[in-house]
Amino acid sequence: DADVTQTPRNRITKTGKRIMLECSQTKGHDRMYWYRQDPGLGLRLIYYSFDVKDINKGEISDGYSVSRQAQAKFSLSLESAIPNQTALYFCATSGGTGRTLYNEQFFGPGTRLTVL
Amino acid sequence: AQSVTQLDSQVPVFEEAPVELRCNYSSSVSVYLFWYVQYPNQGLQLLLKYLSGSTLVESINGFEAEFNKSQTSFHLRKPSVHISDTAEYFCAVSDRVTGFQKLVFGTGTRLLVSP
Repeated sequence: DADVTQTPRNRITKTGKRIMLECSQTKGHDRMYWYRQDPGLGLRLIYYSFDVKDINKGEISDGYSVSRQAQAKFSLSLESAIPNQTALYFCATSGGTGRTLYNEQFFGPGTRLTVL
Repeated sequence: AQSVTQLDSQVPVFEEAPVELRCNYSSSVSVYLFWYVQYPNQGLQLLLKYLSGSTLVESINGFEAEFNKSQTSFHLRKPSVHISDTAEYFCAVSDRVTGFQKLVFGTGTRLLVSP
């Protein structure tokens, strides 16, 4: 089974609809992240969470909100979707202490979201 | 704040030829550097990383990258590519204070290997 899972994998929705993307991990990591990927723009950080009680905005948080329901679950919500939120969304996790703090981020398979 | 520049959006190359994917970064503080690979319809996977020590780092599948502080570069190279190396490659940087907590990615380079 995959360590980082995302649901749904694909979603088509309409402008103005509320949508939630979910991420779950079995790696036991305390840090979780949401990115969006757009062609020619690379990955940009939306929100990140260092533990259940810690939520931080990334560089492009406007129009998004998140919820860290548990250490293993981190959800991204679009309260009122708009077409320019059409993108590929990735969840990632990282963890460790001391030197292992600088271990890699592990990415989920992505959710392709289309807003019509 | 950090930034990463990958000047080549796409690099076409023939199988068994050498390749170099360029990455330059900008930062006012010391950094960690990473290369991630994204195969078609998949998430990103770490290819290699520079944290400290030897400036030349290698991956298990034949890629290498060299940290050049004076040129603020971290170019990725492979002496002989395979069809299976076709993917998008992202360079990323984080500062030594937050470490891996916050990665800043480049815009990616699509490597296209043809027979």
